[in-house]
Amino acid sequence: EIVLTQSPGTLSLSPGERATLSCRASQSVSSSYLAWYQQKPGQAPRLLIYGASSRATGIPDRFSGSGSGTDFTLTISRLEPEDFAVYYCQLGSFGQGTKLEIK
Amino acid sequence: QITLKESGPTLVKPTQTLTLTCTFSGFSLSTSGVGVGWIRQPPGKALEWLALIYWDDDKRYSPSLKSRLTITKDTSKNQVVLTMTNMDPVDTATYYCAHRPGAVAGNDAFDIWGQGTMVTVSS
Repeated sequence: EIVLTQSPGTLSLSPGERATLSCRASQSVSSSYLAWYQQKPGQAPRLLIYGASSRATGIPDRFSGSGSGTDFTLTISRLEPEDFAVYYCQLGSFGQGTKLEIK
Repeated sequence: QITLKESGPTLVKPTQTLTLTCTFSGFSLSTSGVGVGWIRQPPGKALEWLALIYWDDDKRYSPSLKSRLTITKDTSKNQVVLTMTNMDPVDTATYYCAHRPGAVAGNDAFDIWGQGTMVTVSS
């Protein structure tokens, strides 16, 4: 079973800054199946990125995904107040999440 | 417009079997490549993928929970049912179902989610 490890566990940044979230797989995987989700308190997760780098419908272009093999990255180019949330990567199973909090 | 909604008991006793139903609209589970999955989230914890059923009745389960889970579909009713046996307090969580467009559509992620249903396991 592939294990996904996300880092950091918590990321403290200010609006306007750039956020870089990491997801590492325990073995090399097909990027076709790597997805990123955003979850806010009390809400269901929202799909941001699928296939490692394709934005889902309606997702702003400040969100981008990249990576291959075992290392994948979600980048938020310029943080907006509504971007502070928990982010999960998924490939079958989910990573443990990265909490993006306001500094 | 795709929508999904989970339904089932809010409280189950330890050792009982949980049965959850996902009722959906806006797509057909007989369309090539499409799937519906179940994911849960204990309070304050991470998401955990449970099971997935595809249009052709192919089924996938979380390895750690496989012995306790069964997923089925009723295409005519637009429903997917998940059963989990031998419930324990650690299974207390919000349970979500979600739509998966599939490889044919070029998207193998869960793109639309239900609102979730909270299940508490307690005697």
